[in-house]
Amino acid sequence: AQTVTQSQPEMSVQEAETVTLSCTYDTSESDYYLFWYKQPPSRQMILVIRQEAYKQQNATENRFSVNFQKAAKSFSLKISDSQLGDAAMYFCAYRSSEGAGKSTFGDGTTLTVKP
Amino acid sequence: EAQVTQNPRYLITVTGKKLTVTCSQNMNHEYMSWYRQDPGLGLRQIYYSMNVEVTDKGDVPEGYKVSRKEKRNFPLILESPSPNQTSLYFCASSLAGANTEAFFGQGTRLTVV
Repeated sequence: AQTVTQSQPEMSVQEAETVTLSCTYDTSESDYYLFWYKQPPSRQMILVIRQEAYKQQNATENRFSVNFQKAAKSFSLKISDSQLGDAAMYFCAYRSSEGAGKSTFGDGTTLTVKP
Repeated sequence: EAQVTQNPRYLITVTGKKLTVTCSQNMNHEYMSWYRQDPGLGLRQIYYSMNVEVTDKGDVPEGYKVSRKEKRNFPLILESPSPNQTSLYFCASSLAGANTEAFFGQGTRLTVV
């Protein structure tokens, strides 16, 4: 079974600074997908970014980028120029290419942004 | 508006009283899932469905039932709720495929006393 570990229960960052949230996972599969989701205080889960394991290039979405290290099974999220609206809980998620209905989420990291 | 709708948003019930949490999506998505969110435990998948009449157990299926009779609906049934099922529940849907974005409902806060 796959596992996803987020080792930082809480992180904080100063507004306009950069912060990196870590995620590691364990799998024996070679083809899979990784996601970062954001859950603000409203509870509404929103996709931040996704990465396909067979792509070496790291995904980027505006101020959000990932550092995907397949051999190390690491998938960290970097938020640049942090904004107050980035304050939320962030979840890392794994999805196998087989049995694609099954998803495994990490425990989450609560990010605080200080003005 | 494309959305996943869960009802109710909040529910307090007593141990053993059967309840159903409804979930409906209007995006014609093939995949639907139920999750529970508990402090320190993240989101754990309860059940998922990859198509009508096809359901599979997730990581924590005990005490729950689901059905997928129509593509748009995926109700979660607690036949005999217990206090350890007190949690925040999310329904999600997505297009078929492992790389597709999951769209989540607003969540249902369930308290079993």
